[in-house]
Amino acid sequence: GIQVEQSPPDLILQEGANSTLRCNFSDSVNNLQWFHQNPWGQLINLFYIPSGTKQNGRLSATTVATERYSLLYISSSQTTDSGVYFCAVRRLTGGGNKLTFGTGTQLKVEL
Amino acid sequence: DADVTQTPRNRITKTGKRIMLECSQTKGHDRMYWYRQDPGLGLQLIYYSFDVKDINKGEISDGYSVSRQAQAKFSLSLESAIPNQTALYFCATSDFGTGGDTEAFFGQGTRLTVV
Repeated sequence: GIQVEQSPPDLILQEGANSTLRCNFSDSVNNLQWFHQNPWGQLINLFYIPSGTKQNGRLSATTVATERYSLLYISSSQTTDSGVYFCAVRRLTGGGNKLTFGTGTQLKVEL
Repeated sequence: DADVTQTPRNRITKTGKRIMLECSQTKGHDRMYWYRQDPGLGLQLIYYSFDVKDINKGEISDGYSVSRQAQAKFSLSLESAIPNQTALYFCATSDFGTGGDTEAFFGQGTRLTVV
């Protein structure tokens, strides 16, 4: 099956700092999403970004499908940004129609 | 109100009991999914359904069954719960476009503990 690797696995930031999270995947995809799982376990949609660049407030994401990676940028981080960030992809063919999740980046933002 | 609603939100049950987790959605999507998340890991697909007459096994379907009662409702059953089914369960929906499945939306999750 498709492999999805996220880096770094853990990240600690001071409030106000910027960060870049990376997602590498091993096969062609037609769907890529970034999620934030908050401390209560809820999965919050951040971006649906099979290709290109999108921005939403302090967050932005870029997917370069031909090179099989995506980046999530967090600027001016806040304590409410803490949690786990997941990248999930859907394989273009033969993927059994599932979203395959990476193992996540655990982010902690401190005052 | 949430677009994808799961009930219950939390449940503790005993080994061997039958339990049903329910999911309803107001997004009008045909495709619905059940995922499981174990602590510290990503989500794994249990079952998915493209419409009320189409049910498919995912990667970890053993010990689970599902029912698609209507376009908006998709339930997951554990016929005889065991402790290693303790996990966070998510229901999700998506639509289908020219490029395949579109953005997936997840419910709030059901935290299930089997003792």
